[in-house]
Amino acid sequence: EAGVAQSPRYKIIEKRQSVAFWCNPISGHATLYWYQQILGQGPKLLIQFQNNGVVDDSQLPKDRFSAERLKGVDSTLKIQPAKLEDSAVYLCASSFRGQVRTDTQYFGPGTRLTVL
Amino acid sequence: AQSVTQPDIHITVSEGASLELRCNYSYGATPYLFWYVQSPGQGLQLLLKYFSGDTLVQGIKGFEAEFKRSQSSFNLRKPSVHWSDAAEYFCAVVGGDTGGFKTIFGAGTRLFVKA
Repeated sequence: EAGVAQSPRYKIIEKRQSVAFWCNPISGHATLYWYQQILGQGPKLLIQFQNNGVVDDSQLPKDRFSAERLKGVDSTLKIQPAKLEDSAVYLCASSFRGQVRTDTQYFGPGTRLTVL
Repeated sequence: AQSVTQPDIHITVSEGASLELRCNYSYGATPYLFWYVQSPGQGLQLLLKYFSGDTLVQGIKGFEAEFKRSQSSFNLRKPSVHWSDAAEYFCAVVGGDTGGFKTIFGAGTRLFVKA
């Protein structure tokens, strides 16, 4: 079974530039998560999708971050414009049903973003 | 607010020695607790989880964790560490209410294994 795919694996940009990350979850998984992991910290949830609807985006900085999951499969996370503090690893995860308390979340390898 | 504390930023153990990684949580209701491992360049992998029942939970790769409600702890243990266990370990609790739940991670403990 293929795991969660993410691209690119690494990205270096200047501040105020735009960047986009792509995620393809495990086939058949209804729920998709984007996390931000700053160096020295644990992952923090940015947004959760159930199929193609948003379940939780309370911690997404909506003035600069956006995400979409068209057709309920793969997803794109965008930052525009980027700030220095956005330097982090962006992790995508998926789960079968979206029962956060009990489902296993499967994580991709992440995209490491460096903003200069 | 719900939170997770992992008191040790890093730990070094000798190969073959036993391991215990500490985790304390803050959550008013019944906690749903998890341990994940993250190897360099890889995503997080679930080691084990606790919802209810037996407070000693067995996981993959020979790991186990014990839930102690009186101490608000969920410590991870392994009787004999292998060099391949060197990685970062994250404890997590699912916080929230019926309006919505989210996974809250601790800051992680990096495990170093010496020969």
